[in-house]
Amino acid sequence: AQKITQTQPGMFVQEKEAVTLDCTYDTSDPSYGLFWYKQPSSGEMIFLIYQGSYDQQNATEGRYSLNFQKARKSANLVISASQLGDSAMYFCAMREGLIQGAQKLVFGQGTRLTINP
Amino acid sequence: DGGITQSPKYLFRKEGQNVTLSCEQNLNHDAMYWYRQDPGQGLRLIYYSQIVNDFQKGDIAEGYSVSREKKESFPLTVTSAQKNPTAFYLCASRTTGGIGNTIYFGEGSWLTVV
Repeated sequence: AQKITQTQPGMFVQEKEAVTLDCTYDTSDPSYGLFWYKQPSSGEMIFLIYQGSYDQQNATEGRYSLNFQKARKSANLVISASQLGDSAMYFCAMREGLIQGAQKLVFGQGTRLTINP
Repeated sequence: DGGITQSPKYLFRKEGQNVTLSCEQNLNHDAMYWYRQDPGQGLRLIYYSQIVNDFQKGDIAEGYSVSREKKESFPLTVTSAQKNPTAFYLCASRTTGGIGNTIYFGEGSWLTVV
């Protein structure tokens, strides 16, 4: 079964607009972490933001925020005031078993975001 | 600067040859990982290691081998048994202490079979 689902293969947004990238996940482990990474055309994976399953508040990092809805198993990334440099692939990922276990990171298929001037 | 260094950045391999991709980190991280990425796809886990001299298979380990003789190094060998090795390979690492520790990635290695 797909553990991480990103339903938007591609998105086009005007510069300076806010954008929401969707991510839903599936796990029965009460302890897990959710990550968002940005992958520009160069290929490197850039860490953006992290949300723990026990965190009471939504994570924020500069222009990035994570809209965490635990009951819906949703962890959408919100980018405020988009910039041309935000054009890239974005991956949602989950790590299960934060206390014990292998703590492997499982990735979604990604969303290609294009910011138009 | 601290970080994860992968080499080579680009590698061409003839069919039937083994090749080894290097991954070195100076972050003092305990756990290290190898992922494979095919064009337009997400990342899939090949192997991972949580401590020196120990490693486990990921989801697509067939045709690959690893070693973890030093904490800083986690080389990946793509063997001739891997039928479709052309892909982008990413090495990653993280500390094992704490809950919310982040996984950091190297810049990746492009492998092409010619």
